[in-house]
Amino acid sequence: QKEVEQNSGPLSVPEGAIASLNCTYSDRGSQSFFWYRQYSGKSPELIMFIYSNGDKEDGRFTAQLNKASQYVSLLIRDSQPSDSATYLCAVIDYKLSFGAGTTVTVRA
Amino acid sequence: DTGVSQDPRHKITKRGQNVTFRCDPISEHNRLYWYRQTLGQGPEFLTYFQNEAQLEKSRLLSDRFSAERPKGSFSTLEIQRTEQGDSAMYLCASSLGTASYEQYFGPGTRLTVT
Repeated sequence: QKEVEQNSGPLSVPEGAIASLNCTYSDRGSQSFFWYRQYSGKSPELIMFIYSNGDKEDGRFTAQLNKASQYVSLLIRDSQPSDSATYLCAVIDYKLSFGAGTTVTVRA
Repeated sequence: DTGVSQDPRHKITKRGQNVTFRCDPISEHNRLYWYRQTLGQGPEFLTYFQNEAQLEKSRLLSDRFSAERPKGSFSTLEIQRTEQGDSAMYLCASSLGTASYEQYFGPGTRLTVT
């Protein structure tokens, strides 16, 4: 079983809609969780991190963490075409362990 | 631009040749990481340094791979006797370490082995 699993996608949403991305992890002891955005041909860009159970909001992005269910999610509100990218979920012990990513396409 | 730089950005080499990549982290960051990413996959950890000490190496890092971080500043990753399977994006990231776990990536070096 991979350490981090993500919905493989692709996920297509209309402009202005909410994109919902899901991630599960296998190590119950994991404490810190990260979401990276990666445009095609570019390197990952950190967009959110969350350490505590519950929700964390930053602009149009909301990260949700449920440690009991070993589940992390990312919501993108009012999706824009510029949000079209691959979103990577990662957990950290000293290194980042990434999922394979979910590709999001926002339709204008 | 995160402040992490990598050089070169692209490298095409023939099988069997040696290649070396350089990474300059954000200046106050004491931890430096190397990852490798192939198409359709998330980055995979290769190795990391805290200051000049190499603290961990992945099993992915065969004997043909070596990394250094002299003086705890920039780092180099060398691949000897390259194979076609080494073709990938090599990513460097840095962090403050125990003060902050967030890792910031450089633009990457795309290696193509022909």
